[in-house]
Amino acid sequence: NAGVTQTPKFQVLKTGQSMTLQCAQDMNHNSMYWYRQDPGMGLRLIYYSASEGTTDKGEVPNGYNVSRLNKREFSLRLESAAPSQTSVYFCASSGQWMAPLHFGNGTRLTVT
Amino acid sequence: DAKTTQPNSMESNEEEPVHLPCNHSTISGTDYIHWYRQLPSQGPEYVIHGLTSNVNNRMASLAIAEDRKSSTLILHRATLRDAAVYYCILLYNNAGNMLTFGGGTRLMVKP
Repeated sequence: NAGVTQTPKFQVLKTGQSMTLQCAQDMNHNSMYWYRQDPGMGLRLIYYSASEGTTDKGEVPNGYNVSRLNKREFSLRLESAAPSQTSVYFCASSGQWMAPLHFGNGTRLTVT
Repeated sequence: DAKTTQPNSMESNEEEPVHLPCNHSTISGTDYIHWYRQLPSQGPEYVIHGLTSNVNNRMASLAIAEDRKSSTLILHRATLRDAAVYYCILLYNNAGNMLTFGGGTRLMVKP
């Protein structure tokens, strides 16, 4: 049982390049989330999807787009990467309202 | 949103109990108290949560003050594997699972 799987694990981009971070969960969870964590800081919510077919902005959505491809997959896209987006990105999922979140192990992104 | 205050860091000896405090003086009646921890180079991991009563599970215990303005996460016997950043998070009922993480407490466990 893999839980929440994120790809890639590491990525280096140049300013202005685009990329998509992939996330998949195998727990049949309804809700999925994208967080970022800057060095020495707590996590901040970027976007979330309460259920398949819906997405909403979190605390720091600027510069990102998301797609809830199906119940299993939730991707995060950076259209034009900036150095300020250097961070570790975590995907999470949860099955029910108020249920605990299950996190992936993160994608470490560096934008030069 | 109600905020939490935690010490930046704490130290413990292996196999001794650890009490991690959290102040949340502006908590409202519908806020749940959640605890997560983050081991080095990993995503956060759920530990425990509660509303009013003390809670126990296989990982830890959560002691909630009678006025709910503070809570304490209790690890009964710390191991080296418990070295992590522990986050105390308030989750109000209407927010579903949208956690807001603060800085947390970095727990160091000495052999």
